Amino acid sequence: AQSVTQLGSHVSVSEGALVLLRCNYSSSVPPYLFWYVQYPNQGLQLLLKYTSAATLVKGINGFEAEFKKSETSFHLTKPSAHMSDAAEYFCAVRGVWTGANSKLTFGKGITLSVRP
Amino acid sequence: NAGVTQTPKFRVLKTGQSMTLLCAQDMNHEYMYWYRQDPGMGLRLIHYSVGEGTTAKGEVPDGYNVSRLKKQNFLLGLESAAPSQTSVYFCASSYPGQGNSYEQYFGPGTRLTVT
Repeated sequence: AQSVTQLGSHVSVSEGALVLLRCNYSSSVPPYLFWYVQYPNQGLQLLLKYTSAATLVKGINGFEAEFKKSETSFHLTKPSAHMSDAAEYFCAVRGVWTGANSKLTFGKGITLSVRP
Repeated sequence: NAGVTQTPKFRVLKTGQSMTLLCAQDMNHEYMYWYRQDPGMGLRLIHYSVGEGTTAKGEVPDGYNVSRLKKQNFLLGLESAAPSQTSVYFCASSYPGQGNSYEQYFGPGTRLTVT
């Protein structure tokens, strides 16, 4: 079964600094990968997704992620953090073979804090 | 489109009481899911449905039941609530979408406290 590891539970950056949130997956074949964001007291919103069309994926709010098969990674980056980026971020994986089941497996999440 | 909506937003139950959480989606999605979110645990799948009239167990199904009598609705029931079921519950729906990614669309959540 596929799994996702998000290292660390909390990342703190200064406003304007690079944001890097790490995600590593475990899967025998390249899966579908997703990053979701959750703002306080809200549901999850899709930031971006990897579907094998391109290894560098651009999402909303200036975020992007690069799929690296050799490293089994899908790290999320943003060149310059804004205060509004403070939220919890989840990486999720779905195996290409799950078909109609289409279940996602989520990582434990990373809380991003942005310092003025 | 309202997307995915959940009722109620908040609820406090006493141990042993029962309740039903309602999820509704207006996107004509076939697939629907119930998750619970606990601090440091991420989201864990409780039950899911791949179509009207069908349900299946997820990762943490014990203590919960579900029904999908109509395509647009997915109900989560707690027959006898326990303090361990204190959590935030999220409903989601999905369809194949671009590249068969089955990305999921989430509701705003229900915060449940069991005392």
